[in-house]
Amino acid sequence: DAEITQSPRHKITETGRQVTLACHQTWNHNNMFWYRQDLGHGLRLIHYSYGVHDTNKGEVSDGYSVSRSNTEDLPLTLESAASSQTSVYFCASSRGLAGSTDTQYFGPGTRLTVL
Amino acid sequence: AQSVTQLGSHVSVSEGALVLLRCNYSSSVPPYLFWYVQYPNQGLQLLLKYTSAATLVKGINGFEAEFKKSETSFHLTKPSAHMSDAAEYFCAVSALIQGAQKLVFGQGTRLTINP
Repeated sequence: DAEITQSPRHKITETGRQVTLACHQTWNHNNMFWYRQDLGHGLRLIHYSYGVHDTNKGEVSDGYSVSRSNTEDLPLTLESAASSQTSVYFCASSRGLAGSTDTQYFGPGTRLTVL
Repeated sequence: AQSVTQLGSHVSVSEGALVLLRCNYSSSVPPYLFWYVQYPNQGLQLLLKYTSAATLVKGINGFEAEFKKSETSFHLTKPSAHMSDAAEYFCAVSALIQGAQKLVFGQGTRLTINP
C-alpha cells in the first residue's frame, strides 16, 4: 500500500546542532507539507512544496529549510536547533488537484526534543 | 483571511451518548472545510470534508458534519460514542494564502469517553 513515512520517530538533540527530519511518500503526490504541532496552537505550516525543485515558506519558517530533489522526499532541516523548536513535526502530502478540495494525508510524526 | 475556531479544548461524554464537537469558520469566499482525527501517538486522519456538494457530510466511523452558512458552522456529530472515539479532533479550512491553497487548522478538541 502507498504510504507516507517519517524518520526518526523520536529525536533528542542539543541546542545549536543541525537536525534533519525525513519524509517519504509513495503516492507520487505533487504537494508536500511540513507542520509543527504545539499545545494550544494546533498545526502550523512550516514549509511546503508543489513539485520537484519548488519550495515555499509557511507561517513559521524561521530556522527551518527544505529541499525537494525528487517527488517522494521532502526533508526538513533545522540549521541550528533551538529549544523553541521542541515540538512534534508532521509531514503531509496531497495530489495537487486544482481547487481547494485536495485532501492532505499525514505521516505518523516525529517528536523532537532540543535540550 | 480564512480561519476556524473550535469551541472547547476538551469535551467529555459518556459511552453511548451523543458526541458534538463545535467548529465555526471565517471566510470571505465559499469555504472548503475538513475534520481530521488524531489518535494518540499517530498522525492526522481525514474524517470527512465539505466541498459544497451537500451540506450534510458523512464520514468514517459514524461521524457526520453539517455545513450551516447562516451560522458559519461545521459541527461534528456522532449519535453514540464509543470508547475508541477518544482522540483529538481538528477542524480545518482550505485557505488561499500568498497565492497558494493551504489548510488552516483550529486548535483542536480533545474528546474523552467515560465508561
